[in-house]
Amino acid sequence: GESVGLHLPTLSVQEGDNSIINCAYSNSASDYFIWYKQESGKGPQFIIDIRSNMDKRQGQRVTVLLNKTVKHLSLQIAATQPGDSAVYFCAEKWSSGNTGKLIFGQGTTLQVKP
Amino acid sequence: GAGVSQSPSNKVTEKGKDVELRCDPISGHTALYWYRQSLGQGLEFLIYFQGNSAPDKSGLPSDRFSAERTGGSVSTLTIQRTQQEDSAVYLCASSLGGTGFTGELFFGEGSRLTVL
Repeated sequence: GESVGLHLPTLSVQEGDNSIINCAYSNSASDYFIWYKQESGKGPQFIIDIRSNMDKRQGQRVTVLLNKTVKHLSLQIAATQPGDSAVYFCAEKWSSGNTGKLIFGQGTTLQVKP
Repeated sequence: GAGVSQSPSNKVTEKGKDVELRCDPISGHTALYWYRQSLGQGLEFLIYFQGNSAPDKSGLPSDRFSAERTGGSVSTLTIQRTQQEDSAVYLCASSLGGTGFTGELFFGEGSRLTVL
């Protein structure tokens, strides 16, 4: 199926360190890029989004960076906590007419060591 | 309930049988999505409904897969003549949709399908 590419399937970090999760996307026409977190046995949960005309957006302990030149997206998590352990997916919203179809990447597993 | 509800949560079936998976979206959400997630994999887009528009079926893997959304609310994903490769978690999500939609989907907890 259609998907967005991701670097590094597993990322292991020490509690308190910063985490950086990367993503490559393919559709230059996408108008929004989104990060989701999925905990074991649950559906994905929205973290943060960024519009295609922005290059940085900050949330609570998270920052998303967008580099359209190289079609790259990253999620930075500050002071990583054990509760941040999960699989993280990037997604892009394909904007064609009124469609809001979201295409997801393969995911990066974040492991936080105490 | 307040969230997206999916049923059944688990379904075990024999190869060749038909299965129906149900999704009850958040009230008022005009957009509804189905995704498939195989073990350890990402989310594969299947189908997307937005209001009264024709659904985007571009992700359905074969003609054994179909989905409908009745009355703009509840959706059913049907898989006919199931195959072992259909085994996966089927996730449903809903959103407000429309021109203000930025990509925030609300997911259910999924229906885990196992085809023996």
